Amino acid sequence: AQKITQTQPGMFVQEKEAVTLDCTYDTSDPSYGLFWYKQPSSGEMIFLIYQGSYDQQNATEGRYSLNFQKARKSANLVISASQLGDSAMYFCAMRGPNTGNQFYFGTGTSLTVIP
Amino acid sequence: GAVVSQHPSRVICKSGTSVKIECRSLDFQATTMFWYRQFPKQSLMLMATSNEGSKATYEQGVEKDKFLINHASLTLSTLTVTSAHPEDSSFYICSAIAGGPQFFGPGTRLTVL
Repeated sequence: AQKITQTQPGMFVQEKEAVTLDCTYDTSDPSYGLFWYKQPSSGEMIFLIYQGSYDQQNATEGRYSLNFQKARKSANLVISASQLGDSAMYFCAMRGPNTGNQFYFGTGTSLTVIP
Repeated sequence: GAVVSQHPSRVICKSGTSVKIECRSLDFQATTMFWYRQFPKQSLMLMATSNEGSKATYEQGVEKDKFLINHASLTLSTLTVTSAHPEDSSFYICSAIAGGPQFFGPGTRLTVL
């Protein structure tokens, strides 16, 4: 069974500092994709970054980077130079070849950026 | 990224009425769309997978007769909450796959009085 674990229900970070949001996953599939989404208070789910299981390099998208450690089955999201607008819920998700396009979501981490 | 719209964004209805929520992929074709339900401060709960031209696949515990899904075209899926009750009040959000990621609609907040 696929499983995504986010162990940090809430995180605080000072504005302009970097923050790491943890995500671990469990799968027996050799091929899978890992995703991070941001959900601000408005409710919309915003796609941030993607990492494929065969990707050799960590994914980066602007201030977002994914610290992918395959052997440890972790895919932590790093947000650099935090901004007040980064305050939101963050969800880690996984998709595998045997999930029928279905995504499995973690329980989320609530990030608050402190001015 | 790909754009998914959802309508209405907010609906308030009386108990016993039916509510239809539309999900559209605006700039791509989506053979598969997903419907989720989200309670406050919780993660997304997959309700069903909507397949164009065929019946939806419902997750365990989701009543297919209560949550009717129709995927009539490659750009439109609808979720109808039939005979809504206060316990159906929730945030409903749809998504579609474009390339690798799922792209989500802005969600519909349903309140049943």
